Amino acid sequence: DGGITQSPKYLFRKEGQNVTLSCEQNLNHDAMYWYRQDPGQGLRLIYYSQIVNDFQKGDIAEGYSVSREKKESFPLTVTSAQKNPTAFYLCASNRDHSTDTQYFGPGTRLTVL
Amino acid sequence: DAKTTQPPSMDCAEGRAANLPCNHSTISGNEYVYWYRQIHSQGPQYIIHGLKNNETNEMASLIITEDRKSSTLILPHATLRDTAVYYCIVLKKAAGNKLTFGGGTRVLVKP
Repeated sequence: DGGITQSPKYLFRKEGQNVTLSCEQNLNHDAMYWYRQDPGQGLRLIYYSQIVNDFQKGDIAEGYSVSREKKESFPLTVTSAQKNPTAFYLCASNRDHSTDTQYFGPGTRLTVL
Repeated sequence: DAKTTQPPSMDCAEGRAANLPCNHSTISGNEYVYWYRQIHSQGPQYIIHGLKNNETNEMASLIITEDRKSSTLILPHATLRDTAVYYCIVLKKAAGNKLTFGGGTRVLVKP
């Protein structure tokens, strides 16, 4: 069963702690993306990666970090430097950086207490 | 990327066709029209996309006007599970393409 998985679905953390969100895809896609969605809002791009061992900042990268050591994995770390980390985080992928359709995972809802 | 305008909400009767309009009057020649939907607390789901010609797949049909300044997504037989926020987006096929969702149209399918 191919697709994008994100875990966990719900995550709670104390303020000041770093937390890493998982994103895995078995679609053999080259490009992967992380978005943030706040209640009633659209998507904002955090980071994206067009190929293994390479990634670029999106519009709101401050307070976040990523790695792309494997093609199928693109974990996102929300650091203590992120001032408002509570949000719905969405991972997406597409076949290559010039291909159109992005496919999304189910999302992780992070709540920082 | 060109901006889009959609009505904030619409209701639809179960079993009837739902016609969702989108205006994109500043669209350029190499920009595609995409439709996604998002059911509450889930990731967005790709529906359909097109450039100039009308398109149809198992989920929906996309009608693009000849001048490409507007389009309509048609859900032929709406079900309760089609209740979602529907987003119309225009974008080029380019490196690191980011999806910018506007407000979308909140569609409520009623029994």
